[in-house]
Amino acid sequence: GAGVSQSPRYKVAKRGQDVALRCDPISGHVSLFWYQQALGQGPEFLTYFQNEAQLDKSGLPSDRFFAERPEGSVSTLKIQRTQQEDSAVYLCASRSTGQTLQETQYFGPGTRLLVL
Amino acid sequence: SQKIEQNSEALNIQEGKTATLTCNYTNYSPAYLQWYRQDPGRGPVFLLLIRENEKEKRKERLKVTFDTTLKQSLFHITASQPADSATYLCALSYSSASKIIFGSGTRLSIRP
Repeated sequence: GAGVSQSPRYKVAKRGQDVALRCDPISGHVSLFWYQQALGQGPEFLTYFQNEAQLDKSGLPSDRFFAERPEGSVSTLKIQRTQQEDSAVYLCASRSTGQTLQETQYFGPGTRLLVL
Repeated sequence: SQKIEQNSEALNIQEGKTATLTCNYTNYSPAYLQWYRQDPGRGPVFLLLIRENEKEKRKERLKVTFDTTLKQSLFHITASQPADSATYLCALSYSSASKIIFGSGTRLSIRP
């Protein structure tokens, strides 16, 4: 595909339910990022992969959040035992190389998660 | 920790005028400062990147300045058009880090 895709676009979960959010980066992109964006706020960094290696997970808010990229392409962000404060848009971005910030990050449309 | 401040109130500009958005940061200066555009229901789209040793960067109707003394970046859109209406995000990054720190964004509205 031409850009980063994410699925589902919308997800409604009951409190306590587990959810899995998928990101398909641009083909061949080495770096992949996950962000959380609350309403009216800017994206906040969650975690970063270079190929299949998770190099930075300092932004994950709790151990209920888990991300993986086992084959260095598609990534999944999993949230266990969802809470209402997890409601947000989850954005995925990819970048062509592992070089820090010399190149553009391309964002997907996001998954809007609502926890009831 | 690093904080980024952008105008929280929406900016309303008459079509054809120059829109100027402000980004202020605390603490130490980043290696790179970026500006993104975000439309409702979409992810941010990269616009411009400026390095700490650059004073100004231009791209078509866009201009970004970076003043490390004032700890401020200004983002200008000249000859503004209604299609420029969106939220604009300022973001900082450091040479040794892989993550980007975003501001909360400023909503720009260009009226015909």
